[in-house]
Amino acid sequence: AQKITQTQPGMFVQEKEAVTLDCTYDTSDPSYGLFWYKQPSSGEMIFLIYQGSYDQQNATEGRYSLNFQKARKSANLVISASQLGDSAMYFCAMRENNYGQNFVFGPGTRLSVLP
Amino acid sequence: DTEVTQTPKHLVMGMTNKKSLKCEQHMGHRAMYWYKQKAKKPPELMFVYSYEKLSINESVPSRFSPECPNSSLLNLHLHALQPEDSALYLCASSQETHRGSGANVLTFGAGSRLTVL
Repeated sequence: AQKITQTQPGMFVQEKEAVTLDCTYDTSDPSYGLFWYKQPSSGEMIFLIYQGSYDQQNATEGRYSLNFQKARKSANLVISASQLGDSAMYFCAMRENNYGQNFVFGPGTRLSVLP
Repeated sequence: DTEVTQTPKHLVMGMTNKKSLKCEQHMGHRAMYWYKQKAKKPPELMFVYSYEKLSINESVPSRFSPECPNSSLLNLHLHALQPEDSALYLCASSQETHRGSGANVLTFGAGSRLTVL
C-alpha cells in the first residue's frame, strides 16, 4: 500500500502568490518524521522542511511552512511569495522511527511558477 | 557547497563495460544510501550502509555492487548493465539509521546520470 500520496501531479502558481502542495501519509507508527524535498531540473534533491509527529507547532523555514494535521494524516507544504526559482518537482517523504530505515517518498508534484 | 559529492556527473557505458559511481561526505554521517531515480518518478532505495555495514539491499540485481570503504566513502560498482538501468543515481547520507532517528535528514548529492547503450 502506498504510504505517501501527493494528489497533484502538476501545479501552476503566479509569481509572488502563495501555493499549497498536498501530502497525505499512512503509518501505524506513533513516532515518525515528515520531510519535503525540492528537485530542480538539475537533479539534486534539496531538503526544505521537517515536521516530527510529536511536534506541537507547525514547522516553518523562511518562505516554507508545513500545515501539519495529524488526525487527518496530512502534511501540506505552503510556499509563500512564489519565485521563478521555485519551479521544480516537490517530494513529500516520511521516515518511521520504529519500522525500517528507509525514507518513503511520494510520487511528487511538479510546480511551475508563472511570471 | 554541496556536502555530498558524487562523481562522475554523467556516465555513458556499454552493456559490457565495468564502471563505478563514487560518493563522498565529510559531515560525520554514519549512514549512506544509494537511490535510483527514473524520469518523473520518486527515488527508489537500492542500498543502505550503517556504520560501514550493508544493512539494506532492496533486492537489487547483482550487476550493481555497493562498497563502503570507510565512513566517508560509498561506491557503486556497475557491470553488465542493461539499457533499462539508465537513470539518475543519487547518493545520500544521514546521521543515523537506528530506531528513533526519525528526525535525521537525508542529505543528497547532485546525482550521477547514467546512460547504458
